[in-house]
Amino acid sequence: AQSVTQLDSQVPVFEEAPVELRCNYSSSVSVYLFWYVQYPNQGLQLLLKYLSGSTLVESINGFEAEFNKSQTSFHLRKPSVHISDTAEYFCAVSDNSGYALNFGKGTSLLVTP
Amino acid sequence: EAGVAQSPRYKIIEKRQSVAFWCNPISGHATLYWYQQILGQGPKLLIQFQNNGVVDDSQLPKDRFSAERLKGVDSTLKIQPAKLEDSAVYLCASSFFRGLDEQFFGPGTRLTVL
Repeated sequence: AQSVTQLDSQVPVFEEAPVELRCNYSSSVSVYLFWYVQYPNQGLQLLLKYLSGSTLVESINGFEAEFNKSQTSFHLRKPSVHISDTAEYFCAVSDNSGYALNFGKGTSLLVTP
Repeated sequence: EAGVAQSPRYKIIEKRQSVAFWCNPISGHATLYWYQQILGQGPKLLIQFQNNGVVDDSQLPKDRFSAERLKGVDSTLKIQPAKLEDSAVYLCASSFFRGLDEQFFGPGTRLTVL
């Protein structure tokens, strides 16, 4: 079975600074990886995903994540964060045995001026 | 396009009482999911429907939890009787098809069991 570990429960960062949210997974089969975001008082929404092909995937609002099979990681990065990026970020893994999503515990990103 | 609707948004009950949650997925979405999110944890899949059939209910505590999607559209999740440890946010999500289609989440129902 697959599982996800998000190494940081909270990440405080100043506006315009770079940020990395870490995610490691464990699985014995091919995996598909996702980052979901939950803004304050809103539902979960997909930020980006890796299914196959290029190991670097990007979102429309400047986040990127790189699938690293050797390190079993899928870290999320942004070179310059905005106040509006303040949210809870969840890493999730799935495989083709059932396609159910297994989520990590989440990382709370707090961006301050 | 309307999103996933859930009701109620909040519910407070005493332990051993019963409670039901309702979900209406995005129109045309064949797959519906119920997740449980306990405070400080990520969502955990309880049950997955494909149209009106159950695909995966391996993590559903069947002695107290039940769910149905009779007409392949909206769904209800029931807890009977509730325990203190059932306090959580119950999330409903839907996707166009099974597999790796994006899952769209509703706002959730926050359940408090006293």
